Amino acid sequence: GAGVSQSPSNKVTEKGKDVELRCDPISGHTALYWYRQSLGQGLEFLIYFQGNSAPDKSGLPSDRFSAERTGGSVSTLTIQRTQQEDSAVYLCASSFPGDNYNEQFFGPGTRLTVL
Amino acid sequence: GQQLNQSPQSMFIQEGEDVSMNCTSSSIFNTWLWYKQDPGEGPVLLIALYKAGELTSNGRLTAQFGITRKDSFLNISASIPSDVGIYFCAGQLYQFYFGTGTSLTVIP
Repeated sequence: GAGVSQSPSNKVTEKGKDVELRCDPISGHTALYWYRQSLGQGLEFLIYFQGNSAPDKSGLPSDRFSAERTGGSVSTLTIQRTQQEDSAVYLCASSFPGDNYNEQFFGPGTRLTVL
Repeated sequence: GQQLNQSPQSMFIQEGEDVSMNCTSSSIFNTWLWYKQDPGEGPVLLIALYKAGELTSNGRLTAQFGITRKDSFLNISASIPSDVGIYFCAGQLYQFYFGTGTSLTVIP
């Protein structure tokens, strides 16, 4: 596709369940980012991938959060044993770092609600 | 992590008025970006700036990359109702850091 896609668009889960959120970046974009946005708040950085490796995981809030990327393309963010405070919109972005430009393009997000 | 201070936090303006918002940082960045986010959507890139002192326009939008590389501003001229949304600045060094957003309301 032409843009970053994310699935599902909405996810409602019960406290304690695991969830997987998927991101399909723009084809050819080597960098991929995950952010969390709570209601009315700014973007909280979670993790950054360059290719399949994650040089910066500093934003992951706890060990219940993990992410992987395969084939330099699709990424999955997994939240284990979800808690109510995990409820937020999870945004994915991709970019193609170059010498002269480095623009992030965002997907529409996955709205996670933990009951 | 890096802190970006974005101001104002919110603005309520009359249609046709000009708008100005800015971001400052304690650290220098290589790139400044401005995004707009509509409800239920991901942020959409408006303007990207790559050189200190650069002034770039995109229609009614004008943004500048501060000469110190620690700040940027975004101006919107002759606002219209569809300008409503949340505007985010972002600075990039090795990764991207986002401001807290400016919520813009345009009153017809």
